[in-house]
Amino acid sequence: DIVMTQSPDSLAVSLGERATINCKSSQSVLYTPNNKNYLAWYQQKPGQPPKLLIYWASTRESGVPDRFSGSGSGTDFTLTISSLQAEDVAVYYCQQYWGTYTFGPGTKLEIK
Amino acid sequence: EVQLVESGGALVQPGGSLRLSCAASGFSFDTYWMSWVRQAPGKGLEWVANINLDGSEKRYVDSVKGRFTISRDNAKKSLYMQMNSLRAEDTAVYYCARMDLWLSPFDYWGQGTLVTVSS
Repeated sequence: DIVMTQSPDSLAVSLGERATINCKSSQSVLYTPNNKNYLAWYQQKPGQPPKLLIYWASTRESGVPDRFSGSGSGTDFTLTISSLQAEDVAVYYCQQYWGTYTFGPGTKLEIK
Repeated sequence: EVQLVESGGALVQPGGSLRLSCAASGFSFDTYWMSWVRQAPGKGLEWVANINLDGSEKRYVDSVKGRFTISRDNAKKSLYMQMNSLRAEDTAVYYCARMDLWLSPFDYWGQGTLVTVSS
């Protein structure tokens, strides 16, 4: 199975500043015939189910603010929040969906 | 509006059984793969099982193979999980989640139902 790791475990960022979360997969999730990375990002706020933010590593889900962006390919990926808002406080998970489905351990994002 | 509503969670003794249900509305249920994903208290997310459009293909995480059975009833727009031989480590919130295809992310999630396995 593909193992997902994330860094950092937790992150404190000032309002309006940039937040960056990293995700690494134990093997490539890039399928070269279609050039797609089978990688998604989710946001989970306390007491709520996860919400899909990004899929195919960099495609924003409908309705997700454009301050959220995803990048990377192969085994290394990044979620960036360009200007942190108070409502972005949450745990963020990356997930690979190449073959089976495994999640990273999560990164807790707080306001500094 | 897409809605997924889970039910059936309860306190059950180790070795016991439970059946979870997920009622879907707001979309064409029979055109989507569906999954169960669980989250132990204070822990991360773990995919448990998924099922294809007509229920003919089912996949499971290794830790539940032989104990859990996923199923669906398209006429009732419902997803199910029969859970047998429950263990303490199965304690979690169980979410049902929708998928476009076999290899796709989970685009809608229910609110979850809590399963507690304890004596």
